[in-house]
Amino acid sequence: ELKVEQNPLFLSMQEGKNYTIYCNYSTTSDRLYWYRQDPGKSLESLFVLLSNGAVKQEGRLMASLDTKARLSTLHITAAVHDLSATYFCAVDSYNFNKFYFGSGTKLNVKP
Amino acid sequence: GAGVSQSPSNKVTEKGKDVELRCDPISGHTALYWYRQSLGQGLEFLIYFQGNSAPDKSGLPSDRFSAERTGGSVSTLTIQRTQQEDSAVYLCASSLQAPRVGQPQHFGDGTRLSIL
Repeated sequence: ELKVEQNPLFLSMQEGKNYTIYCNYSTTSDRLYWYRQDPGKSLESLFVLLSNGAVKQEGRLMASLDTKARLSTLHITAAVHDLSATYFCAVDSYNFNKFYFGSGTKLNVKP
Repeated sequence: GAGVSQSPSNKVTEKGKDVELRCDPISGHTALYWYRQSLGQGLEFLIYFQGNSAPDKSGLPSDRFSAERTGGSVSTLTIQRTQQEDSAVYLCASSLQAPRVGQPQHFGDGTRLSIL
């Protein structure tokens, strides 16, 4: 079964600092999804990465995909408190009939 | 509304009872997904519908779980003879086109199911 591993699982950082969340997956896939979940809320789509080398940026977040390494990164630049949330990556199965989410990275940005 | 709507938002029931959870996807979205999220955990994929068809039902945790979708719109997830381990938040999502197109999923607020 396809496995999706995120690290770190917990991340506490100061405002203004940079950090990267990593998402590894265990099978070939050329698409990767990032979602954000605020406490007690549902998931919100952040990025859809559809090919090797894809890079997308929105505000202080930038996501990239390396399908050969089976790795996606979510880079946070100059973190602010509003970015505190849990971030999930997800991939779909080879036949697009199943979806696999990582365990999530709980980010806490301290003022 | 414009988003994915799930009902009920909360459901408390006794062990052994049957429950039915409902999902109204965004209008025009052909793909619909069900997930389960236990407290503090990631999402467990349950089933996906393209139109009214579910290509793969193997994600359902046991034969007590079933799901259907009618008219290419509303979907219901039914859990029979509920067990305490069924307690979780059940999330529904929809996307405009089939997953192979590579589009984000839009999630509802979920149904929080508690089995006493």
